[in-house]
Amino acid sequence: KNQVEQSPQSLIILEGKNCTLQCNYTVSPFSNLRWYKQDTGRGPVSLTIMTFSENTKSNGRYTATLDADTKQSSLHITASQLSDSASYICVVSPYNAGNMLTFGGGTRLMVKP
Amino acid sequence: DVKVTQSSRYLVKRTGEKVFLECVQDMDHENMFWYRQDPGLGLRLIYFSYDVKMKEKGDIPEGYSVSREKKERFSLILESASTNQTSMYLCASPPPGARSNQPQHFGDGTRLSIL
Repeated sequence: KNQVEQSPQSLIILEGKNCTLQCNYTVSPFSNLRWYKQDTGRGPVSLTIMTFSENTKSNGRYTATLDADTKQSSLHITASQLSDSASYICVVSPYNAGNMLTFGGGTRLMVKP
Repeated sequence: DVKVTQSSRYLVKRTGEKVFLECVQDMDHENMFWYRQDPGLGLRLIYFSYDVKMKEKGDIPEGYSVSREKKERFSLILESASTNQTSMYLCASPPPGARSNQPQHFGDGTRLSIL
């Protein structure tokens, strides 16, 4: 069964520090890999989308990387802010699956002052 | 700006009740999806619809049904609510086209508690 595993499940960092969230997937072949940010009590919001041929995509202080050979992706957050406190969800779109997505369980990040 | 609106943020119902969750999108999209989100499990697809009056089962359709009478509105129905249906329910509407590289737009969710 296609799976998306994220680590760590939760993370606490101090404001201003960098952090990296991991995503391992078994979905193959796949069309694209996405990272979403979900604030508490809100719906997920897209941060980045990478096709299988891309290996990095940035959105401000967020940088996603993709290694299709090892089936790993990471989301790096630079100079964290309190507003970065949220859950981050890795999502893989299987090839030819249209709009069907496979979701990871998320990493819950807390940024403390 | 695109918008997916879920009618209720919080809902408390009793076991056995028939529950309606409403979702409206203003993007004129054909596609609409219902997910439930539980801690550690990720989002799981309940039902989806590619057009008016069209519906397809997702991964966990048992205990649910849906209605799509108008393009902009997709309703999730719990025929007889049970406590194991206590969850966060998210509606989403991706742009048209297979293998779309554009994001799905999510509503803010309905946190449903069944007592």
